[in-house]
Amino acid sequence: DAKTTQPNSMESNEEEPVHLPCNHSTISGTDYIHWYRQLPSQGPEYVIHGLTSNVNNRMASLAIAEDRKSSTLILHRATLRDAAVYYCILSNAGGTSYGKLTFGQGTILTVHP
Amino acid sequence: NAGVTQTPKFRVLKTGQSMTLLCAQDMNHEYMYWYRQDPGMGLRLIHYSVGEGTTAKGEVPDGYNVSRLKKQNFLLGLESAAPSQTSVYFCASRGTGRNYGYTFGSGTRLTVV
Repeated sequence: DAKTTQPNSMESNEEEPVHLPCNHSTISGTDYIHWYRQLPSQGPEYVIHGLTSNVNNRMASLAIAEDRKSSTLILHRATLRDAAVYYCILSNAGGTSYGKLTFGQGTILTVHP
Repeated sequence: NAGVTQTPKFRVLKTGQSMTLLCAQDMNHEYMYWYRQDPGMGLRLIHYSVGEGTTAKGEVPDGYNVSRLKKQNFLLGLESAAPSQTSVYFCASRGTGRNYGYTFGSGTRLTVV
């Protein structure tokens, strides 16, 4: 499985934008880029995913580099409820991987009031 | 509300006892997964299923068995619990096509003494 690299931790102030980077230099052409977050004592929560084009939803935006070797999750206005561990994951729906998610250590996001 | 439901939420077992964790989803998803999460670590895949009647091994399958007799249910069994199986267990399901995001349950916290 292709791996991702994320910073161990990041900090932000409330109501400011947050850009969470992810490197995935060995991504294959059929790998989707997924982002999930996990709040304390809860299961992971889907944030966003994309293949090639930038994506927006009500939670966040996903900016994907043209060569697809990196991506950035953008939280437009951080709130205290956004404090969580954010996981960037590559998932391939085809072949023998059946879209399995391989979790790394993720980025611990701290949001200051 | 649509989603993934896990039962029980908490359980304490003695070494050698057996138990079954139940995962139920009402989104008509084909794919279902069982993960475990140890303290301070990311999730690791135990077993998964790509449809009713099918199961496959994940990253850490030893000591666990699974069954998918009905599309909406995915059962995880521990035949002879060991302290090393103390963990938080998460079930997830996902759809296909545009509906590609995973939905996770809230977890089962299992302690084996």
